[in-house]
Amino acid sequence: GAVVSQHPSWVICKSGTSVKIECRSLDFQATTMFWYRQFPKQSLMLMATSNEGSKATYEQGVEKDKFLINHASLTLSTLTVTSAHPEDSSFYICSAGGRFSYNEQFFGPGTRLTVL
Amino acid sequence: AQSVTQPDIHITVSEGASLELRCNYSYGATPYLFWYVQSPGQGLQLLLKYFSGDTLVQGIKGFEAEFKRSQSSFNLRKPSVHWSDAAEYFCAVGGTGTASKLTFGTGTRLQVTL
Repeated sequence: GAVVSQHPSWVICKSGTSVKIECRSLDFQATTMFWYRQFPKQSLMLMATSNEGSKATYEQGVEKDKFLINHASLTLSTLTVTSAHPEDSSFYICSAGGRFSYNEQFFGPGTRLTVL
Repeated sequence: AQSVTQPDIHITVSEGASLELRCNYSYGATPYLFWYVQSPGQGLQLLLKYFSGDTLVQGIKGFEAEFKRSQSSFNLRKPSVHWSDAAEYFCAVGGTGTASKLTFGTGTRLQVTL
């Protein structure tokens, strides 16, 4: 099956700093990538949808200037949490889909962000 | 708007017993339905999916699910649970089109006793 990787798998940063999380599709071209956020023992909440070469579409309530998403190529999308604060601590998961995958998304292993 | 309800937050079953996890969805058109499993601190693994055709869908690890349009349900079943099945299970609904967004249920945590 299609493989999606995320880097880093976990990161600890100080409040006020920015953190970049990478999401890569390793063996297919991901025309669409999704970013989710998951709080402990809760479900996944979609943050934004990004299509290669286009601006991301953010879900209601998600701050565009805080969570910067770039999808510059068919194999890479990045999520940058700017000026991170402790309330941004969460598990961030990306998923990717392509023209071949019809309506299926392939999920990355997730990135645990802890902001001190 | 699409939505998914998983009424059982936590289920405990004995190893070897049968399992059924409930999922009800709301969607305006033909839904595309998924079941995912998540182990602690891990990403999601697809168990099975329903797009069209046979309403009884077979998945990995011995799981199956049945799509019932009249009940707006897509319940997950397994005839005999293994201790390694302990995890969080998410039902999700999506729409048509290439990689349309998914809406997830709140999840059901499965505990397996030996």
